[in-house]
Amino acid sequence: GAGVSQTPSNKVTEKGKYVELRCDPISGHTALYWYRQSLGQGPEFLIYFQGTGAADDSGLPNDRFFAVRPEGSVSTLKIQRTERGDSAVYLCASSLGRDTDTQYFGPGTRLTVL
Amino acid sequence: AQTVTQSQPEMSVQEAETVTLSCTYDTSESDYYLFWYKQPPSRQMILVIRQEAYKQQNATENRFSVNFQKAAKSFSLKISDSQLGDAAMYFCAYRRALGGYQKVTFGTGTKLQVIP
Repeated sequence: GAGVSQTPSNKVTEKGKYVELRCDPISGHTALYWYRQSLGQGPEFLIYFQGTGAADDSGLPNDRFFAVRPEGSVSTLKIQRTERGDSAVYLCASSLGRDTDTQYFGPGTRLTVL
Repeated sequence: AQTVTQSQPEMSVQEAETVTLSCTYDTSESDYYLFWYKQPPSRQMILVIRQEAYKQQNATENRFSVNFQKAAKSFSLKISDSQLGDAAMYFCAYRRALGGYQKVTFGTGTKLQVIP
């Protein structure tokens, strides 16, 4: 089937604006993850969903960041009052959710905050 | 906290030759998973190879193999018969093997250039 998809591919916004980034996981995958990749760095964990609930949100940097997955499939990462330091590639991944499963990544959304 | 270190920011290899990318990690856990991911300019992270820490045998996937040294906390990736399509960023990654624990920790990456 189709892989993980993310929209938009690129997003340019102004400082202080609100943005939403969308992730469509692989069909049947119950686990979904968000990572942030800054320039020249490896991805950093933000949040992990098992079904509809956030099982681990320890990576969210502050309360401007929030993510939802209301029906246990599509997820939206929401960033309020964006700052220039939020500029990065936001990666989404999904897996079957069992301990042995591998995470499969989407192509990411490149967010640029001017 | 677990950390993953890749000390080679960039590497180059001649086409058809062999190259080894280094990775070390720090953990107090005894059971975990290690991964190598490839990230081409398209940004999509692609799993190259995976190793379970409880397995002594080194994982292999076609031209890709690892040298897993658990005591030394070392996990290097060997690419044999390098091809132009192997050029990409390569990330070493770690995940605890604890039920329900899914957070993956990545290194800073090694940029691999393949010279024709």
